[in-house]
Amino acid sequence: AQSVTQPDIHITVSEGASLELRCNYSYGATPYLFWYVQSPGQGLQLLLKYFSGDTLVQGIKGFEAEFKRSQSSFNLRKPSVHWSDAAEYFCAGGIKAAGNKLTFGGGTRVLVKP
Amino acid sequence: EPEVTQTPSHQVTQMGQEVILRCVPISNHLYFYWYRQILGQKVEFLVSFYNNEISEKSEIFDDQFSVERPDGSNFTLKIRSTKLEDSAMYFCASTGNSPLHFGNGTRLTVT
Repeated sequence: AQSVTQPDIHITVSEGASLELRCNYSYGATPYLFWYVQSPGQGLQLLLKYFSGDTLVQGIKGFEAEFKRSQSSFNLRKPSVHWSDAAEYFCAGGIKAAGNKLTFGGGTRVLVKP
Repeated sequence: EPEVTQTPSHQVTQMGQEVILRCVPISNHLYFYWYRQILGQKVEFLVSFYNNEISEKSEIFDDQFSVERPDGSNFTLKIRSTKLEDSAMYFCASTGNSPLHFGNGTRLTVT
């Protein structure tokens, strides 16, 4: 069965420090992978997507993610977090680029300390 | 940038009542979805809708749920007889040839 797993439920990071959020997937073939962010009271905003090609993808707000087939991972990174990055982050996978039924991970809540 | 809009942002209803959650997808999108997120749990797929019919639905989407696109702009989710366990955040999403665009959600509270 298709699944997306985010091992970390909560992460606390100091402002200015680097951030890495883990995501692992289990699909029969390489899925299309996405990271979404949900700020309190807001919807799900797309940060970045991986379809194929370059395994390091750049997204909005200074985020990037690296697809590693050998590890079935698609980890999200940011070199220096800002207080406004405090939110919940969701990794999701689908079998198509569009017209997708996405499978979401459980989410990782990021807290940013001053 | 075009947005998916959902109304209301919060709905409180009594168990057994019918509710209709409303969404206005992005205008040139072709695929429409409902997802839900029970507090503290994963975002779960409910149903997808394309070409005026359901294209796929999950096990959660039982007979008490229905979707409709009553006109060219709205996309609704109806829950006929709400249960306590229907309390959740419901997200509408749409896409054309791109990743999903989500609305801000409707928080449904069933008392």
